Amino acid sequence: AQSVAQPEDQVNVAEGNPLTVKCTYSVSGNPYLFWYVQYPNRGLQFLLKYITGDNLVKGSYGFEAEFNKSQTSFHLKKPSALVSDSALYFCAVRDRNNFNKFYFGSGTKLNVKP
Amino acid sequence: EPEVTQTPSHQVTQMGQEVILRCVPISNHLYFYWYRQILGQKVEFLVSFYNNEISEKSEIFDDQFSVERPDGSNFTLKIRSTKLEDSAMYFCASRTSSGKGTDTQYFGPGTRLTVL
Repeated sequence: AQSVAQPEDQVNVAEGNPLTVKCTYSVSGNPYLFWYVQYPNRGLQFLLKYITGDNLVKGSYGFEAEFNKSQTSFHLKKPSALVSDSALYFCAVRDRNNFNKFYFGSGTKLNVKP
Repeated sequence: EPEVTQTPSHQVTQMGQEVILRCVPISNHLYFYWYRQILGQKVEFLVSFYNNEISEKSEIFDDQFSVERPDGSNFTLKIRSTKLEDSAMYFCASRTSSGKGTDTQYFGPGTRLTVL
């Protein structure tokens, strides 16, 4: 069965410092992996995805994520956090053969303090 | 940039009542989805819809639920006889069928349903 785990409910980081939001997955076969961000009163906004190719993918707002097959991880990173990055971040996985279902993690609240 | 929209943003209803949650997917998208998120829990897949029929549904999506595309722009989720445990945030999503981005679902802002 496909699943995603986000082990941290909350991540606190100071503005200007690097940030990492962790995600591990369990899926049969090669996964499609996604990160979404949710700002208050907004929907889930697509940030980036890994489909194939380079393990380091770059997305919106300066975020990037590294696909690590041996560790089954897809951690979200940013070299220098902004206060405006404070939001709820969701990792999601999709089976390559099933376009329908996304499996989401429980979400990680990122707090960036000035 | 085109967005998925949902109305209402918050719906309060009495247990046993019927509710209809509305979504307007991105205009050239042909695949539509509903997800829900019970407070403090994961976002869960409910149903996918293509070509005027359900293509996949989860075990959550029982006879209490139905989906419809009543016209060329709206996509609705109907919950008959709501229960307390239906209280959740309901997200609509859509994706294109061709070109770049067919693998990405785009989500609306959600409707918070509160069943009293």
